[in-house]
Amino acid sequence: AQSVAQPEDQVNVAEGNPLTVKCTYSVSGNPYLFWYVQYPNRGLQFLLKYITGDNLVKGSYGFEAEFNKSQTSFHLKKPSALVSDSALYFCAVRDGGTGRRALTFGSGTRLQVQP
Amino acid sequence: GAGVSQSPSNKVTEKGKDVELRCDPISGHTALYWYRQSLGQGLEFLIYFQGNSAPDKSGLPSDRFSAERTGGSVSTLTIQRTQQEDSAVYLCASSVDSNEQFFGPGTRLTVL
Repeated sequence: AQSVAQPEDQVNVAEGNPLTVKCTYSVSGNPYLFWYVQYPNRGLQFLLKYITGDNLVKGSYGFEAEFNKSQTSFHLKKPSALVSDSALYFCAVRDGGTGRRALTFGSGTRLQVQP
Repeated sequence: GAGVSQSPSNKVTEKGKDVELRCDPISGHTALYWYRQSLGQGLEFLIYFQGNSAPDKSGLPSDRFSAERTGGSVSTLTIQRTQQEDSAVYLCASSVDSNEQFFGPGTRLTVL
């Protein structure tokens, strides 16, 4: 079975400060990891993914994430937060082997960036 | 359009009625997924179609839920005898290689 944990329901950060949204995962095979963002009344938008290669992945809107195999983590980061980054963020995983193709999502973390 | 589209955007129904939700994936995408997002919850996988292979129905919560995909393109999710706990946003996604999934705007279902 595969699972994702996002331990923080909400993260508050001041505009201009760095932000981190935490994600840990469990999967039996090779992890394929994803971050999605959801703005109010909108569908999910893809931010970035890790399949293989460099542990540091860069994505849309200045976001990046670091894959850490030993800690089974894939935290989302941004050096300088914007008020417009305020949204709901989801981490997701799938087994990169012959396992289930559907994504397993975390429960989401609401990011609130204060001006 | 270039993205995944879903219809209707909102559906209000009475308990016990059947509903059909439609998804038009991105042209050329061979994989199609249905997820459900309940209020304040994460996304729950429902069903997955890949090309002509048998669908992965492992996420369907009960036999009241079914889905089909015609001609490898449009998909319809059907919920029979709706219950109040079926109220949620139903999201459809498509992908070309089972990796990055592109999501539609969702259908908000309210069962009274």
